Amino acid sequence: SYELTQPPSLSMSPGQTAIISCSGERLGEKHVSWYQQKPGQSPEVVIYQDTKRPSGIPERFSGSNSGNTATLTISGAQAMDEADYYCQAWDSTFVVFGGGTKVTVL
Amino acid sequence: EELLVESGGGLVQTGGSLRLSCAASGFSFSYYWMHWVRQAPGKGLVWVSRINSDGSGTTYADSVKGRFTISRDNAKNTLYLEMNRLRADDTAVYYCANSGSHTAFHIWGQGTVVAVSS
Repeated sequence: SYELTQPPSLSMSPGQTAIISCSGERLGEKHVSWYQQKPGQSPEVVIYQDTKRPSGIPERFSGSNSGNTATLTISGAQAMDEADYYCQAWDSTFVVFGGGTKVTVL
Repeated sequence: EELLVESGGGLVQTGGSLRLSCAASGFSFSYYWMHWVRQAPGKGLVWVSRINSDGSGTTYADSVKGRFTISRDNAKNTLYLEMNRLRADDTAVYYCANSGSHTAFHIWGQGTVVAVSS
């Protein structure tokens, strides 16, 4: 079965840039979405179709996808960005989520 | 406002059954594929099942295949998950979410808690 691999955690200071990776075989041939989940809340999509931001998502969130790796970049992170982030892709008619990355803004 | 509201969760014994519901409002429910995604305590998101817009196609994760059944009633704007032969590792918050065909999950419910005890 298809797998997506993310680093378990990432720490940064306010204002820094965070880059979260998501790796999978030939991932660049699929569309990747990214979800933010804060404690006690439902997930929310922050990036879809590799690079697109839904309305209401700040411009500091951006995405890319090529080869075997997709990335979510948070430019100039803020305290409110502290959350778990999950990548997601389709494998035929199945859906796969990465294991999640806990982002801490110190 | 586009909303999904889950219900039907609860505490059940190992081997028991539960039926979850997900009521949709504020968007054209019958146009979208629908999914169930679960999250065990302290763990990540795990996709469970999906159903296409008219209910003619379904897919299941290996961990629930043969035990869970996804269905929908477009006249009632409601998604269901029938869960049988429940196990302790089915304990999780269950979310419903919508998508297009092979697209992102844009609307999520608030989740309903399923706890399976022995």
